[in-house]
Amino acid sequence: AQTVTQSQPEMSVQEAETVTLSCTYDTSESDYYLFWYKQPPSRQMILVIRQEAYKQQNATENRFSVNFQKAAKSFSLKISDSQLGDAAMYFCAYGNGANSKLTFGKGITLSVRP
Amino acid sequence: DAGVIQSPRHEVTEMGQEVTLRCKPISGHNSLFWYRQTMMRGLELLIYFNNNVPIDDSGMPEDRFSAKMPNASFSTLKIQPSEPRDSAVYFCASSRQLFNSPLHFGNGTRLTVT
Repeated sequence: AQTVTQSQPEMSVQEAETVTLSCTYDTSESDYYLFWYKQPPSRQMILVIRQEAYKQQNATENRFSVNFQKAAKSFSLKISDSQLGDAAMYFCAYGNGANSKLTFGKGITLSVRP
Repeated sequence: DAGVIQSPRHEVTEMGQEVTLRCKPISGHNSLFWYRQTMMRGLELLIYFNNNVPIDDSGMPEDRFSAKMPNASFSTLKIQPSEPRDSAVYFCASSRQLFNSPLHFGNGTRLTVT
């Protein structure tokens, strides 16, 4: 069974600084995809970024980028120029196949200091 | 695109009562998922449907939980009888049944069973 591990329960970053959130996963599949979701206090789950395992290039969405290390089964999220609105819980998720079913990590709470 | 619509947003009920949570997926999405979020266990997949058919209900905790999808635009998750340990946030999500298609989440229902 696939597992997703987010070992850091909490992190803090100074506004305008850069922070990296870690995620590792375990799978025997070669073709899969990975996501980061953001959950602010409003509770809404918001897609931040996605990465397909067959792509060597790391995905980037504005201030958000990933460091995808397939051999190490690592998928970290880097947030540049952190803003107060980035404060939220962040979930790493794994999926494969055509059914869109995702396995989520336990999440990490990110706080941003003004 | 109205997004995934869940109701109610909050539900408070007494132990032993029946609870019904409702979900309207995004039009055109043919996969629907019910997740439960708790502090202890994080996000757990309860059940998912493809084209209105339940595909995997192995995450449903016990027989007190049931889910239906009578048509492409509506699904329910029912708990009968409810217990205090069922208190959690229940999310509905939908997606297209395609590889790497992301999940689109509703705002969740916070259930409190006293």
